[in-house]
Amino acid sequence: GENVEQHPSTLSVQEGDSAVIKCTYSDSASNYFPWYKQELGKRPQLIIDIRSNVGEKKDQRIAVTLNKTAKHFSLHITETQPEDSAVYFCAAYQRYGNKLVFGAGTILRVKS
Amino acid sequence: DSGVTQTPKHLITATGQRVTLRCSPRSGDLSVYWYQQSLDQGLQFLIQYYNGEERAKGNILERFSAQQFPDLHSELNLSSLELGDSALYFCASSEGEGVTYEQYFGPGTRLTVT
Repeated sequence: GENVEQHPSTLSVQEGDSAVIKCTYSDSASNYFPWYKQELGKRPQLIIDIRSNVGEKKDQRIAVTLNKTAKHFSLHITETQPEDSAVYFCAAYQRYGNKLVFGAGTILRVKS
Repeated sequence: DSGVTQTPKHLITATGQRVTLRCSPRSGDLSVYWYQQSLDQGLQFLIQYYNGEERAKGNILERFSAQQFPDLHSELNLSSLELGDSALYFCASSEGEGVTYEQYFGPGTRLTVT
């Protein structure tokens, strides 16, 4: 089945700096990769997603890149703000079982 | 507020007991997903229902079962509870059947097994 590895497990950045979180997946048939943000004590919320027919997608300060050959995708947050502090989960679609497989999460701390 | 509701918010019970968690999806959403979130295992997909029928199954234990009713609300039943079942249980709903439809998560039910 699909295996999704996420790195780093924790990330501390200074306000205004960029943050990058990387995920690798194993199922070459995966074609959908969402990212979720979960603030402390809150529910996960979709922040951006990418499908395998594009290599990059941007939404304001957030971007996701996909490298299908290497089977990895990354979340980029620019000009980080304290409100970006949260746990970020990547996920990949697994064809077998028709489900999303989540990475273990990255705790992002933005220091002001 | 995602529009997905879950009850109860918190549940404390003893080992060996059985509990039922309830989820009401957003208006118009036909899919309901159940996830378990524990500290050491992140978000684990349990099961998905679409318009009353089971569509996908994840790492759901045999002691757990779920169903989706004609009014589209869903219930997750956990029986013979063990200490390791203590976790946050989320349900999520989406408009369509496939996982590429955005999933909207509920606030979760925190289950503590003592």
